[in-house]
Amino acid sequence: DAKTTQPPSMDCAEGRAANLPCNHSTISGNEYVYWYRQIHSQGPQYIIHGLKNNETNEMASLIITEDRKSSTLILPHATLRDTAVYYCIDGNTGKLIFGQGTTLQVKP
Amino acid sequence: DAGVIQSPRHEVTEMGQEVTLRCKPISGHDYLFWYRQTMMRGLELLIYFNNNVPIDDSGMPEDRFSAKMPNASFSTLKIQPSEPRDSAVYFCASTLLGVPDTQYFGPGTRLTVL
Repeated sequence: DAKTTQPPSMDCAEGRAANLPCNHSTISGNEYVYWYRQIHSQGPQYIIHGLKNNETNEMASLIITEDRKSSTLILPHATLRDTAVYYCIDGNTGKLIFGQGTTLQVKP
Repeated sequence: DAGVIQSPRHEVTEMGQEVTLRCKPISGHDYLFWYRQTMMRGLELLIYFNNNVPIDDSGMPEDRFSAKMPNASFSTLKIQPSEPRDSAVYFCASTLLGVPDTQYFGPGTRLTVL
């Protein structure tokens, strides 16, 4: 079973920042936080990962709280193409256990 | 790079038939994963390989399912005999280094068992 908790759905206006929360209540010290997304009918796509520090890449930013019990994925300027299911995962064994994710709907 | 390649993209078969799904990982990747996705159960890890050796097959649902990786560039997932409840989208993914892993997923095979 998935170890993380995410809201089932969120809306965001096109051009605005999308902030997707995730709770990692059972994360241990050596487990990473990963974010993936799945656009309809496609395979999941890696977005970003982190351990303790905040991370940023060309797709998104990842904010991890100091106690590591929660994280937030930030899409700074959401577009219609960002409409997808977003999964947060924590682990360190090479196995990704996907939960139900958050369905993000970006609206014009 | 062509990415992870899966074939066929769609498969329709009748109950009791053997089904073979194929995957070509990204060249140089040493981990390969098979997942299954259904509306009811979401995305589930079935099995994964490291350097062609199965590491964890605890997600394989039952003996009707088997997976092989005869070389670094090819893997198969076989279902024999197939049942309607096996209908799902099957994804293959590969990665270089297990942890932290940024897995690259293929486009999936949509299997329908009638």
